[in-house]
Amino acid sequence: DGGITQSPKYLFRKEGQNVTLSCEQNLNHDAMYWYRQDPGQGLRLIYYSQIVNDFQKGDIAEGYSVSREKKESFPLTVTSAQKNPTAFYLCASSIYRGRRLFFGSGTQLSVL
Amino acid sequence: DQQVKQNSPSLSVQEGRISILNCDYTNSMFDYFLWYKKYPAEGPTFLISISSIKDKNEDGRFTVFLNKSAKHLSLHIVPSQPGDSAVYFCAALLSNNAGNMLTFGGGTRLMVKP
Repeated sequence: DGGITQSPKYLFRKEGQNVTLSCEQNLNHDAMYWYRQDPGQGLRLIYYSQIVNDFQKGDIAEGYSVSREKKESFPLTVTSAQKNPTAFYLCASSIYRGRRLFFGSGTQLSVL
Repeated sequence: DQQVKQNSPSLSVQEGRISILNCDYTNSMFDYFLWYKKYPAEGPTFLISISSIKDKNEDGRFTVFLNKSAKHLSLHIVPSQPGDSAVYFCAALLSNNAGNMLTFGGGTRLMVKP
């Protein structure tokens, strides 16, 4: 079954701690994206990557970091610099310059 | 400044009736529009899309209308079913050198009552 797998489903972060959210896809898509959803709000773009070893900041990249060492993987690190990390994080992928994004099932991050 | 707006945060409709979800945008450079459906604690799933060169696209119970002059699109669901209860996001696509970037609206929660 092809798809996008995000793990864990739920994650808790302590003050001052960095946490990493995993995103793996076996759709052979070139492009991958990270979005954040806050309650009652739309999806906001954090980072995106069109090809391996390349990525760009989205609208709200501060306090986050990513890497794209493999085509199928695009992990997101929420650093201690992100002061309001509690949100639902969604990973997505598409073909290169594709119009449709395919989403994973999300990770809910909460601060202890 | 929100470039894509869904001004109705929620909508309640009786089963069998039509649901109309609205979306407005400000950037005339958007050239493709999509609707996604999202259940709680899940990722959005693609529903239907429309190119800016068209004014209507239909897929079963779902029809999307685009009014470019008004910078407005709408999603019609008819007949509405209880399983349609979800949050619906409209998204607009801008093609540039960095790739195809989607901008999402804030979502409308649809509740279809049996």
